[in-house]
Amino acid sequence: AAGVIQSPRHLIKEKRETATLKCYPIPRHDTVYWYQQGPGQDPQFLISFYEKMQSDKGSIPDRFSAQQFSDYHSELNMSSLELGDSALYFCASSLGAGRWNTEAFFGQGTRLTVV
Amino acid sequence: AQSVTQLDSHVSVSEGTPVLLRCNYSSSYSPSLFWYVQHPNKGLQLLLKYTSAATLVKGINGFEAEFKKSETSFHLTKPSAHMSDAAEYFCAVSPRAGNNRKLIWGLGTSLAVNP
Repeated sequence: AAGVIQSPRHLIKEKRETATLKCYPIPRHDTVYWYQQGPGQDPQFLISFYEKMQSDKGSIPDRFSAQQFSDYHSELNMSSLELGDSALYFCASSLGAGRWNTEAFFGQGTRLTVV
Repeated sequence: AQSVTQLDSHVSVSEGTPVLLRCNYSSSYSPSLFWYVQHPNKGLQLLLKYTSAATLVKGINGFEAEFKKSETSFHLTKPSAHMSDAAEYFCAVSPRAGNNRKLIWGLGTSLAVNP
């Protein structure tokens, strides 16, 4: 079965550079979530989109932005990268509206290292 | 507001002995509850979920969890630990209704299995 695809799997950037992470949800899923997991930490919710509109916002820095496109894939854009941005970034997708028993399926994550 | 507390940051068991990973939750309404496992440098894999059907939920790899509303708990158990169970385990809660199903995570429990 198709799963959530994230690209790239690994990314190394220098401080102050920009990075773009991509997430391709499971087909027909209309909701995408982004999480950031620092070393030894629990995942922290960044932002989510439902039907291409931002549905919730968590602890996403102002230097980051994200959007969901017409094909439901999502991109997380990160600018002015800092060493503290080094983390594993997870994308998850789910079916949204009115489906009370839905669950989020996670991608393998993108490991971003800022040097 | 919702929150999750994993009562043990680290659990160590011997192979073949039972596993108990504790999770308590706080929610102002009936939540969905999840247990995820994360092996080193891997993504998050869903072990099991509770979404208001049977209170005893069976998951993959022999794990199960029991939802106890009176105790606001959702502890994860397995009768006999295997070496391959060594990993980080996360308990998470999410609203059952509405379009936004962002997960609120516990801090994780690191499970070590000794030979």
